[in-house]
Amino acid sequence: GENVEQHPSTLSVQEGDSAVIKCTYSDSASNYFPWYKQELGKGPQLIIDIRSNVGEKKDQRIAVTLNKTAKHFSLHITETQPEDSAVYFCAASKLDAGNMLTFGGGTRLMVKP
Amino acid sequence: GAVVSQHPSRVICKSGTSVKIECRSLDFQATTMFWYRQFPKQSLMLMATSNEGSKATYEQGVEKDKFLINHASLTLSTLTVTSAHPEDSSFYICSAGSGGVGTDTQYFGPGTRLTVL
Repeated sequence: GENVEQHPSTLSVQEGDSAVIKCTYSDSASNYFPWYKQELGKGPQLIIDIRSNVGEKKDQRIAVTLNKTAKHFSLHITETQPEDSAVYFCAASKLDAGNMLTFGGGTRLMVKP
Repeated sequence: GAVVSQHPSRVICKSGTSVKIECRSLDFQATTMFWYRQFPKQSLMLMATSNEGSKATYEQGVEKDKFLINHASLTLSTLTVTSAHPEDSSFYICSAGSGGVGTDTQYFGPGTRLTVL
């Protein structure tokens, strides 16, 4: 089955700096890669996603890049703000096979004011 | 985005009792719902896939007789933890998708914190 590795497990940045979180996946058939933000005691919220037919996607301060050959994808947050502090999860799935998400281990991002 | 609700948000029960958790898609029909369990400071682990009108598909290691799933309508799935024990204490989260080949976005509920005494 699919295995998703996520690094780093914790990340501390200064407000205004950029943050990068990286994930690798094992199943070359995976074709959908969402990123979720989870605040304490709440369910995950989708912040951005990318399909395998696209190499990069951007939404304001958030961007995701995908390298299918190397089987890794990354989340980039620019101009970080204290409210970006949360746990971020990457995930991978196969859209044509039930879309069951396999999650990475999570990254605790702390943005210091 | 679409809204998924869960009820209750928190539940405390005695060991040996059963607890039912509801997951509802409020503004769309969900042919598929997923149930996850999350222990403190850990990632989400898929427990089962719930398909409307058919039996749920359980992940390896998840006891189907202990975690009963019913997806009776396109907007409601329930998870019943039977004969709960302290080790079942966890954060249970559902997600819902509109299903169909090629569809993507899964919307997550706010989670249910179960504490078994």
